[in-house]
Amino acid sequence: QLVLTQSPSASASLGASVTLTCTLNNGHSSYPIAWHQQQPEKGPRYLMKLNSDGSHSKGDGIPDRFSGSSSGAERYLTISSLQSEDEADYYCQTWGTGNWEFGGGTKLTVL
Amino acid sequence: EVQLVESGGGLIQPGGSLRLSCAASGFTVGNNYMTWVRQAPGKGLEWVSIINSGGGTYYADSVKGRFTISRDNSKNNLYLQMNSLRAEDTAVYYCARYFSPDVYWGQGTLVTVSS
Repeated sequence: QLVLTQSPSASASLGASVTLTCTLNNGHSSYPIAWHQQQPEKGPRYLMKLNSDGSHSKGDGIPDRFSGSSSGAERYLTISSLQSEDEADYYCQTWGTGNWEFGGGTKLTVL
Repeated sequence: EVQLVESGGGLIQPGGSLRLSCAASGFTVGNNYMTWVRQAPGKGLEWVSIINSGGGTYYADSVKGRFTISRDNSKNNLYLQMNSLRAEDTAVYYCARYFSPDVYWGQGTLVTVSS
């Protein structure tokens, strides 16, 4: 069974950087994932697709401040020069055999 | 420009039925992978169903046998027929287009199952 694990919360100061982590369970460490952002009271927004080798493809209009990287079964989303509008829930998502799986989401607070 | 607009949500009693629609523009629904994702109040995203470009369909275990995904290529619409609704189906339902590597999201429609 395909499972994605995310920490429930993270926080960082305005202007700083933060890295969020999504971990694939055993046997699925080669899977690509997608990162999605959900600002308060809004629908999700696609940020990027991230491969196991760290290569990634960002969605239209996603700022350079957002980047992705990978190490083994872990997939990372790094946000630099944090802005107030980055305060949001961040979800990782992957593709199974026909189905999609989402991580539980990380709530990012910008201090 | 890709646009997805969901409609059809509302208040429905347990055991009832509802059909959600997703009107697509800027691309052809029939040539794409289209999916439904829901979000219960205060909870995370939960995948519901997908239809691929070949017409194959897949469902989450929680809705299998009760929900049916379909599309109308002539109207360029995606649908989700929801039967035997339960309180735990209460959520905002989003449609999304997967055109690798990108995912395009709609704004969602709220379904409330309550007596």
